[in-house]
Amino acid sequence: SQQGEEDPQALSIQEGENATMNCSYKTSINNLQWYRQNSGRGLVHLILIRSNEREKHSGRLRVTLDTSKKSSSLLITASRAADTASYFCATDNGADKLIFGTGTRLQVFP
Amino acid sequence: NAGVTQTPKFQVLKTGQSMTLQCAQDMNHEYMSWYRQDPGMGLRLIHYSVGAGITDQGEVPNGYNVSRSTTEDFPLRLLSAAPSQTSVYFCASSYRTPSGAITYEQYFGPGTRLTVT
Repeated sequence: SQQGEEDPQALSIQEGENATMNCSYKTSINNLQWYRQNSGRGLVHLILIRSNEREKHSGRLRVTLDTSKKSSSLLITASRAADTASYFCATDNGADKLIFGTGTRLQVFP
Repeated sequence: NAGVTQTPKFQVLKTGQSMTLQCAQDMNHEYMSWYRQDPGMGLRLIHYSVGAGITDQGEVPNGYNVSRSTTEDFPLRLLSAAPSQTSVYFCASSYRTPSGAITYEQYFGPGTRLTVT
């Protein structure tokens, strides 16, 4: 079964707006990652946050992790049309398996 | 570096046929994995390998075999294709840190779109 569930399933915004997507997971984790997938392509790693971290930044990306609620959020600030993609969270518990969520489809309109 | 390469890009099989999806990486990554992606299901782990000669099952291993005879290659074999195996298949790899931990930051191939009729 899936470890992570993203919310919302789909999100549409205008360029310049912020996009927030959430990931909830079921069991304890070592790390949580976010990936982007452009239509018809492989996934690209965006950012990794460890279980002892609460917030991480990378460019226009901000990721938070709340292990007490078993949830994470990905914020993309000042969205661009090129950010249009599906976004997935993925978790591991140190047992050599990376388990992905079901994804959020983000559409950014120019 | 070519990164992670997968062949073929597209494949159509008839029920009962067998085939091998190829995956290769030139980054000397120890960890390699296979996922399938179905609409609304995200990615599901089929099999993975932490090094040459070592493989293990993921979430959905039934109907698939793997082997890892070299660091570079990790082929996925469909023994007797079924319509339920119609999917997009992704291979991925990652590396160990100097301390020996697998980073889990995965590098993905472009995928193989498989249709079983």
